[in-house]
Amino acid sequence: GDSVTQMEGPVTLSEEAFLTINCTYTATGYPSLFWYVQYPGEGLQLLLKATKADDKGSNKGFEATYRKETTSFHLEKGSVQVSDSAVYFCALSDDSSNDYKLSFGAGTTVTVRA
Amino acid sequence: DAGVIQSPRHEVTEMGQEVTLRCKPISGHDYLFWYRQTMMRGLELLIYFNNNVPIDDSGMPEDRFSAKMPNASFSTLKIQPSEPRDSAVYFCASRPHPGQGIYNEQFFGPGTRLTVL
Repeated sequence: GDSVTQMEGPVTLSEEAFLTINCTYTATGYPSLFWYVQYPGEGLQLLLKATKADDKGSNKGFEATYRKETTSFHLEKGSVQVSDSAVYFCALSDDSSNDYKLSFGAGTTVTVRA
Repeated sequence: DAGVIQSPRHEVTEMGQEVTLRCKPISGHDYLFWYRQTMMRGLELLIYFNNNVPIDDSGMPEDRFSAKMPNASFSTLKIQPSEPRDSAVYFCASRPHPGQGIYNEQFFGPGTRLTVL
């Protein structure tokens, strides 16, 4: 079945550091890929998404490119802030298989220190 | 739109009591999902509905858990009897029907933090 594997945390960074969270996926169809973010005490929010190969999703300085050849969707941000401290989830949804569930990675906890 | 609404936000109960969690999806969304989040197991899908009909309940842990969606704007997740290991944050999410433009992502509610003593 479809699955997502993301790098384990926790990740601790200093402000203005570069952040990368690796995410790879396994899917039989043509999935859409997502990054969700969960701030402390809150629900999950969509951070960015990409619906087909070579698409780049971007939001709030974060970027991720849908790489079909490497089945990856790595999240990057060039200069993190304390407010980026959160748990980040990579996920996929394969609407082409008529299965509308989201398959989530385990989540990566990111802490940014001032 | 107010987004997905869940109630209560926090629930503390004693073992053996019945617990009912409530969810109001975004208007017009055809799909509704219930998730459970714990430190040990991460984010787990419990059940999801399409047009008020349960489609996949394979994630429901056991018979103590039940979910209903009596109409398009309301769903409940019930635990009876509750146990300490049910302590978790329960999220509800909704999404529109596939093909409705670009909006194929799920929208999450703020969650209900359940503590069973």
